[in-house]
Amino acid sequence: QLQLQESGPGLVKPSETLSLTCTVSGGSISSSHFYWAWIRQPPGKGLEWIGSIPYSGSTYYNSSLKSRVTISVDTSENQFSLKLSSVTAADSSVYYCARQVITGISRGYFDFWGQGILVTVSS
Amino acid sequence: DIVMTQSPDSLAVSLGERATINCKSSQNILYRSDNRNYFAWYQQRAGQPPKLLIHWASTRESGVPDRFSGSGSGTDFTLTISSLQAEDVAVYYCQQYYSFPITFGQGTKLEIK
Repeated sequence: QLQLQESGPGLVKPSETLSLTCTVSGGSISSSHFYWAWIRQPPGKGLEWIGSIPYSGSTYYNSSLKSRVTISVDTSENQFSLKLSSVTAADSSVYYCARQVITGISRGYFDFWGQGILVTVSS
Repeated sequence: DIVMTQSPDSLAVSLGERATINCKSSQNILYRSDNRNYFAWYQQRAGQPPKLLIHWASTRESGVPDRFSGSGSGTDFTLTISSLQAEDVAVYYCQQYYSFPITFGQGTKLEIK
């Protein structure tokens, strides 16, 4: 059974860079059928797609965050990572990593999710 | 961006009764060349990550009870729970995967009456 696990600091200071890693187990990250995604959810609010990356390394970002986001993949470690720069309190959220199923030209739905990690931006 | 709008925002249904949640997209998400709607439903129980229920608008994910069904096409979609169980209390989200950015509805909170 595929599992995803987010890791990283739970507290980040304003203006600094949030860095998270998602470790994939029970399956390979190197498949052309999937992208690997980050999604966030402010406490008590809805879901926001941040961006996605296939194992080949090309990236797709939400334009609302594009200038601050970097997603990368490390196939040797079966991991992918998120960096979000210049954070503010508005970036405080539960951050999820997820597997994104790609078929044809579809942008993909999310069939496996990590448990999520709460990141608070505060001094 | 494609905006996904769910209705209602919250819903209270008696155990064993039918629950219906609607989602409307601001653009057509039916891709004519394959006649598929690029649309999914998720369930999020309290303190848990979202769980995929339905993709391609009406295809139930493996292991999802058959009381859950999805319907609709183009811009209007519906999630129906035919006979509400206590474990169905959750927030439900719709999602389009027709174009980037991927977008979700605002969520519908389902409770027991």
